Amino acid sequence: EAGVVQSPRYKIIEKKQPVAFWCNPISGHNTLYWYRQNLGQGPELLIRYENEEAVDDSQLPKDRFSAERLKGVDSTLKIQPAELGDSAVYLCASSFGLADSYEQYFGPGTRLTVT
Amino acid sequence: AQSVSQHNHHVILSEAASLELGCNYSYGGTVNLFWYVQYPGQHLQLLLKYFSGDPLVKGIKGFEAEFIKSKFSFNLRKPSVQWSDTAEYFCAVRAGTYKYIFGTGTRLKVLA
Repeated sequence: EAGVVQSPRYKIIEKKQPVAFWCNPISGHNTLYWYRQNLGQGPELLIRYENEEAVDDSQLPKDRFSAERLKGVDSTLKIQPAELGDSAVYLCASSFGLADSYEQYFGPGTRLTVT
Repeated sequence: AQSVSQHNHHVILSEAASLELGCNYSYGGTVNLFWYVQYPGQHLQLLLKYFSGDPLVKGIKGFEAEFIKSKFSFNLRKPSVQWSDTAEYFCAVRAGTYKYIFGTGTRLKVLA
């Protein structure tokens, strides 16, 4: 079974430039999460999708961040414009559903460096 | 606000030593508790989880954790670590609205 796929794995951009991250969850997983992990910290939830609906985006900085999950499968997270403080690893995770027994599976992450 | 505290940021042990990593959370309601591990160069993966029932939970690779409700704790233990346990360990809590809150992680280095 293929795991959660993310691309690119690494991205270096200058501040004020836009950047986008892509995530393909495990087949059949309805719930998709985007996390940001700053250096020396644990992952922090940015947004959670149930199918194509964003059901929790309270931690997403909406002035510069946007996300979409068209057709309830793949998802894209965008930052425009990027700031120095956005340098972090962006993790995507998916699970079959919300029930307690459903484990989150994490992708390898995209390491973003903003210069 | 809900939070998860991992008191040990870096731990160095020799092989065969016993391990205990602390995790405390702040939330008064029902919680689900998790330990995740990230081996060098690999994804975060689930080590073990607690939802209900026996507060002593056994996970993969000989790890276990004990939920002590009165202490708001979910400490991770292993009686005898191996070099291959070198990794970063994250405690996480799911409280209320399916929101996962992660601790800051503990980097474990096991010396061969």
